[in-house]
Amino acid sequence: EAGVVQSPRYKIIEKKQPVAFWCNPISGHNTLYWYLQNLGQGPELLIRYENEEAVDDSQLPKDRFSAERLKGVDSTLKIQPAELGDSAVYLCASSSGGSSSYNEQFFGPGTRLTVL
Amino acid sequence: AQSVTQLGSHVSVSEGALVLLRCNYSSSVPPYLFWYVQYPNQGLQLLLKYTSAATLVKGINGFEAEFKKSETSFHLTKPSAHMSDAAEYFCAVSDQRGGGNKLTFGTGTQLKVEL
Repeated sequence: EAGVVQSPRYKIIEKKQPVAFWCNPISGHNTLYWYLQNLGQGPELLIRYENEEAVDDSQLPKDRFSAERLKGVDSTLKIQPAELGDSAVYLCASSSGGSSSYNEQFFGPGTRLTVL
Repeated sequence: AQSVTQLGSHVSVSEGALVLLRCNYSSSVPPYLFWYVQYPNQGLQLLLKYTSAATLVKGINGFEAEFKKSETSFHLTKPSAHMSDAAEYFCAVSDQRGGGNKLTFGTGTQLKVEL
């Protein structure tokens, strides 16, 4: 079974440019997460989707970040415009089921963004 | 609010020695607790989890952790370190009511294994 797929794996852009990351979750997983991992830190949740609905986006900086999961499967995270401080690894994860019982999150390899 | 504290951002052990990575949690509700491992340029992989069943939890690659409510700890151990254990380890906590959906991670501990 394929795991969580993310692309690109690496991205280098200049500040003020837009950038987008793509994630394809494990087949059948209805919950999708985007995390931000700064160097030397643990991941921090940016947004969580249940199917196509964003159920927790309280940590997403909405002035420059946006995300979508139009058909409840794959998802795109966008930054526009990018700032130097956005350099980090962006992780996508997915899990099955709802919130009534424990559901393991499976992580993708991440996209490493460097903003120059 | 929930949080975890990982004591020691870097731990170095000799091959064959005991591995002990410390994690203390703070939670006002019964928690789920997790240990994840991250190899360079890879995503996180679940090592083991505590979800309110047995307090001594066994995971993959010979790791285990014990949930101690009185000490609010969930330390990760392995009796004998192997070179392949060198990686970054993250402790995480989640609210049981949310089914483990909202993970709060610690800052990580980089494990180095020396010959």
